[in-house]
Amino acid sequence: AQSVTQLGSHVSVSEGALVLLRCNYSSSVPPYLFWYVQYPNQGLQLLLKYTTGATLVKGINGFEAEFKKSETSFHLTKPSAHMSDAAEYFCAVKKGSARQLTFGSGTQLTVLP
Amino acid sequence: DVKVTQSSRYLVKRTGEKVFLECVQDMDHENMFWYRQDPGLGLRLIYFSYDVKMKEKGDIPEGYSVSREKKERFSLILESASTNQTSMYLCASSGTSGPYNEQFFGPGTRLTVL
Repeated sequence: AQSVTQLGSHVSVSEGALVLLRCNYSSSVPPYLFWYVQYPNQGLQLLLKYTTGATLVKGINGFEAEFKKSETSFHLTKPSAHMSDAAEYFCAVKKGSARQLTFGSGTQLTVLP
Repeated sequence: DVKVTQSSRYLVKRTGEKVFLECVQDMDHENMFWYRQDPGLGLRLIYFSYDVKMKEKGDIPEGYSVSREKKERFSLILESASTNQTSMYLCASSGTSGPYNEQFFGPGTRLTVL
């Protein structure tokens, strides 16, 4: 079975500071990994996804994530936080042949002025 | 612009009522999904469908059923609503052109059962 662990249910950063949201997965086969963002009162929107190839994945709004197989991690980063980044972020994993995603429990990001 | 729509943003029902949540996608996607979202638990899969009239149970199917009579529409049914089904319900769809197909989400329905 595969699972996703997001460390830290709440993360606060100052505007302009580095954003680091952690995601670790367990999977018996190479996974397909996703980060989604949910702004208040909205559905989820894809930020980025890792398929195969380059381990550093760039997404929308200046976010990127690095796939580290040895650490089974897919942490999300952004060099400089903006107030508009305040949202909840979900890491998700899909086993290659499956249709469904398994989601982490989410990390609420607060950006302080 | 791709779109997944859900019939209601907010819904209030009473215990024991039969509740229908509707989801429509305009992307000709084969797969459709229903999740519930609760604080601290992330998204949990209730049911999904990979074709018309086909369905599979997710992680928490108890108390729910689904219907997919047309490709674009996927309904979630609460046969007899209970207070522990108060939650945010999210619908999603995805295609089948590759294993890295992402899911596209609707805006969600916040259901309150009194």
